[in-house]
Amino acid sequence: GQQVMQIPQYQHVQEGEDFTTYCNSSTTLSNIQWYKQRPGGHPVFLIQLVKSGEVKKQKRLTFQFGEAKKNSSLHITATQTTDVGTYFCADNTGAQKLVFGQGTRLTINP
Amino acid sequence: NAGVTQTPKFRILKIGQSMTLQCAQDMNHNYMYWYRQDPGMGLKLIYYSVGAGITDKGEVPNGYNVSRSTTEDFPLRLELAAPSQTSVYFCASSYSQASEQFFGPGTRLTVL
Repeated sequence: GQQVMQIPQYQHVQEGEDFTTYCNSSTTLSNIQWYKQRPGGHPVFLIQLVKSGEVKKQKRLTFQFGEAKKNSSLHITATQTTDVGTYFCADNTGAQKLVFGQGTRLTINP
Repeated sequence: NAGVTQTPKFRILKIGQSMTLQCAQDMNHNYMYWYRQDPGMGLKLIYYSVGAGITDKGEVPNGYNVSRSTTEDFPLRLELAAPSQTSVYFCASSYSQASEQFFGPGTRLTVL
């Protein structure tokens, strides 16, 4: 079935450094949703990308959707301790459900 | 609006026991979902529903059952608990198939 691969699995950075997580698929993605899950919390929706090549920004977060719609990325500029958590991408397969990637767990050294 | 609520927050079961995880939403969403999340892992879909009276299997349905008698409620039933069902269970809802999902706070279940 549809699989969404996310890399890296873990990332540890110093506060102030940048962070990027990548979401890849061997098949064309329908649209991509990104979620953040704080430690001990539940996933919270961040954004949805629909169009090929789309770029969206939310303050220090930049989301991109690849031209071929087979990959997506989330980039955080100048990380802060509030960015700690696990970031998931999810493909909206068009079959009434989301397929989640494994997530990238971000930890930050203050 | 309370959003998506789940009860209980925590539960310990013995092997072979049964229980129902409750999920309710007050956003009048047609779509509801049950996921499990094992430690350090992503979310796996157990069951989902596109409206009252309609349910369908997800990726990992074995050992679980659901019902959707109302738009608001989507309970998940474990009939014969097994250690492999130790996990955190999240319920979610969405307005449509393509829209964002709203997650409940989760139920942490341990089967001993």
